[in-house]
Amino acid sequence: DAKTTQPPSMDCAEGRAANLPCNHSTISGNEYVYWYRQIHSQGPQYIIHGLKNNETNEMASLIITEDRKSSTLILPHATLRDTAVYYCIVGYWWGGNEKLTFGTGTRLTIIP
Amino acid sequence: SQTIHQWPATLVQPVGSPLSLECTVEGTSNPNLYWYRQAAGRGLQLLFYSVGIGQISSEVPQNLSASRPQDRQFILSSKKLLLSDSGFYLCAWSARDTQYFGPGTRLTVL
Repeated sequence: DAKTTQPPSMDCAEGRAANLPCNHSTISGNEYVYWYRQIHSQGPQYIIHGLKNNETNEMASLIITEDRKSSTLILPHATLRDTAVYYCIVGYWWGGNEKLTFGTGTRLTIIP
Repeated sequence: SQTIHQWPATLVQPVGSPLSLECTVEGTSNPNLYWYRQAAGRGLQLLFYSVGIGQISSEVPQNLSASRPQDRQFILSSKKLLLSDSGFYLCAWSARDTQYFGPGTRLTVL
């Protein structure tokens, strides 16, 4: 599985867009990029995932570079409840037995 | 909609005691099921995954075991707990291309 590199921590002002970067330079052609977040003492929450194209849902947008070696998760209007550890993961699916390797993530703090 | 349950939410056990953590999924059939462990300040470590009843794959050799007696039930067990077994245990399920996690069980071994 490809590995990812994320900054250990970031701050963002409430109401602003939070842009969380992730490098995955060894990603292979059939690996997806996933984003999860984990609020203290809770299970990780799925946010979004993509393969090649940019993706958007009700929670966030995912921007993947053309060479797929990096991506950015965008929370358009950060609130205090978005304070969490954000994990960028690459993984692929074969026969339904996907394996996602979680690193230590980025600790995002939303500042009032 | 699908929901995943884990219990107990917290557990304190002495070293050498047995362990049984249970995970159940509702609202889906034939899901893939996973057990992860998260040590304090660390990332998640995949322990076991299952693609069907009675089918268990182990990722990390240790004193833990898993079983899947029913389609939507996944159990994590140990015969004798070690101090190093302390951590946050998470169950997850997937049916397509995304994993969804339960609320977790915080285990403290003393």
